[in-house]
Amino acid sequence: DTEVTQTPKHLVMGMTNKKSLKCEQHMGHRAMYWYKQKAKKPPELMFVYSYEKLSINESVPSRFSPECPNSSLLNLHLHALQPEDSALYLCASSRDRSSYEQYFGPGTRLTVT
Amino acid sequence: GQNIDQPTEMTATEGAIVQINCTYQTSGFNGLFWYQQHAGEAPTFLSYNVLDGLEEKGRFSSFLSRSKGYSYLLLKELQMKDSASYLCAVRGDSNYQLIWGAGTKLIIKP
Repeated sequence: DTEVTQTPKHLVMGMTNKKSLKCEQHMGHRAMYWYKQKAKKPPELMFVYSYEKLSINESVPSRFSPECPNSSLLNLHLHALQPEDSALYLCASSRDRSSYEQYFGPGTRLTVT
Repeated sequence: GQNIDQPTEMTATEGAIVQINCTYQTSGFNGLFWYQQHAGEAPTFLSYNVLDGLEEKGRFSSFLSRSKGYSYLLLKELQMKDSASYLCAVRGDSNYQLIWGAGTKLIIKP
């Protein structure tokens, strides 16, 4: 199984809503990542978890709150988002932080209205 | 600062060969990656170079020159399904984060 799954595929939410994005992998990877990608732009790193601990937070606003309940799951909790937060949110994993190959999930297309 | 440059868009013909260039200036170097991304989909890993030279993998090859801060991705026997964006990314300093180029949109014509 070399797959990273993400749910939901699409999400539309209002600025006062609370929602969560989910990511799962069963490759035994110990590093997991959240990226944000706007149209025609490269992915921007948001958070990195290593062995279930948050190791990198790229100065992301607190309305984005990551959570790693176990080594296979990664969540991104969303609250009070702005329309400019609309983007494709990608989850990725790698064997560990030093491993060169990251496997990406299909992403969640988020629209904030 | 850290900078990765690649052409915004390229057009090539089915069956032909195309070379996508990437130049980089980063603080430190721990490898260069090429990813393919179809519209609306996640990036998929194509290649990794950390030493100078050419790495060949089927129809795709990637080249690196660390002294010149330069890489290219070579695609042979182009197929229509190769129409996608190709992202160059560099792992810079020791925290293993990737610095991404803006991507090259490759359009394949029959």
